[in-house]
Amino acid sequence: DQQVKQNSPSLSVQEGRISILNCDYTNSMFDYFLWYKKYPAEGPTFLISISSIKDKNEDGRFTVFLNKSAKHLSLHIVPSQPGDSAVYFCAASVNSNTGKLIFGQGTTLQVKP
Amino acid sequence: DVKVTQSSRYLVKRTGEKVFLECVQDMDHENMFWYRQDPGLGLRLIYFSYDVKMKEKGDIPEGYSVSREKKERFSLILESASTNQTSMYLCASSKHTGGSDQPQHFGDGTRLSIL
Repeated sequence: DQQVKQNSPSLSVQEGRISILNCDYTNSMFDYFLWYKKYPAEGPTFLISISSIKDKNEDGRFTVFLNKSAKHLSLHIVPSQPGDSAVYFCAASVNSNTGKLIFGQGTTLQVKP
Repeated sequence: DVKVTQSSRYLVKRTGEKVFLECVQDMDHENMFWYRQDPGLGLRLIYFSYDVKMKEKGDIPEGYSVSREKKERFSLILESASTNQTSMYLCASSKHTGGSDQPQHFGDGTRLSIL
């Protein structure tokens, strides 16, 4: 049972435009959500997170929105840059004592110059 | 900066071999994790450890075991390698703060091929 789903395997946007990456979850007990970015041949790097008690968190060009009633979160990148081309994973925190996360399948973002 | 180091970037082994993947972190993190990444499946948790000598099964532990004898080192063991264990293996660590706001930090991965 996939508790965290990223239904779009890929996304292509033009440089300078907005990129919106989506993530759905099923477990209402998740207390934190995180986004990671992964380049080929590198490990994922942490991008931004949001607590379940908030609905928005912003860090520079990156904003994460959380809609608890819809069990949906999204990552907005504005403006998109070619260097943002990577695989993006959303993740949800299961257990605050162990730090265990459940990851989605990932979305490959391509930003065209 | 947190440094998570995986011993090999690329590894080729034969079916039936016992394979060891090593991971070391330098930030005194309590939690350590092993994942495998496969196309279309994302990151799947194999095992994790929240303290020395403690281990918990993740979502896909079959065919694997782990060892955590020291806080900074977490080893993944393939008891008898099979071709379906060909994958990218990622190690991660995080600090235990009692909350969930400490992200996991990842190594660069080991690309393992079983022939």
